[in-house]
Amino acid sequence: GAVVSQHPSRVICKSGTSVKIECRSLDFQATTMFWYRQFPKQSLMLMATSNEGSKATYEQGVEKDKFLINHASLTLSTLTVTSAHPEDSSFYICSAPREGRYNEQFFGPGTRLTVL
Amino acid sequence: AQSVAQPEDQVNVAEGNPLTVKCTYSVSGNPYLFWYVQYPNRGLQFLLKYITGDNLVKGSYGFEAEFNKSQTSFHLKKPSALVSDSALYFCAVRDRGSTLGRLYFGRGTQLTVWP
Repeated sequence: GAVVSQHPSRVICKSGTSVKIECRSLDFQATTMFWYRQFPKQSLMLMATSNEGSKATYEQGVEKDKFLINHASLTLSTLTVTSAHPEDSSFYICSAPREGRYNEQFFGPGTRLTVL
Repeated sequence: AQSVAQPEDQVNVAEGNPLTVKCTYSVSGNPYLFWYVQYPNRGLQFLLKYITGDNLVKGSYGFEAEFNKSQTSFHLKKPSALVSDSALYFCAVRDRGSTLGRLYFGRGTQLTVWP
């Protein structure tokens, strides 16, 4: 089956620093990728839709300048948490639909961000 | 608007007993329906989906789900639960006409199987 990877799997950083999370589709091209945020034992909250070659589409309430998304190629999208603060600590998950009859989505393993 | 309801935050069953995790949905048109499972600190793993055809869908690890159009439900079931089935389960729907494939998730149900 299709594989989506995320890097890093875990990151701990100091408050005020920026953190970049990568999402890669390993064996298919993805013109669209989705970024989610998940708090402990809660559902996934869609943050933004990443579009290759154009600006990301952010969900209401998500700060564009805080969560920078770059979809530089058909296999890579990055989420940069700028000037991270402890409240940004969360589990971030990306997903990518593989084009086909049903555009089935494949999820990355997630990135645990802890901001001290 | 699309919405998914998982009415139970927690489901507890004894190993060997049947389990059911409930899901109802509200979408325009005929949706695609999905179940995913999440283990601690992991991403989502696909279990099964309903696209069309037979209302009873069989998926991974012995799970199955029944699509009920009149009740707009897609409950997840397994005849005999295992301790290793303990995890967080998400129901999701997708608009059949969506080209992007955006999923709408329920809030999740924590399944605990007791030995």
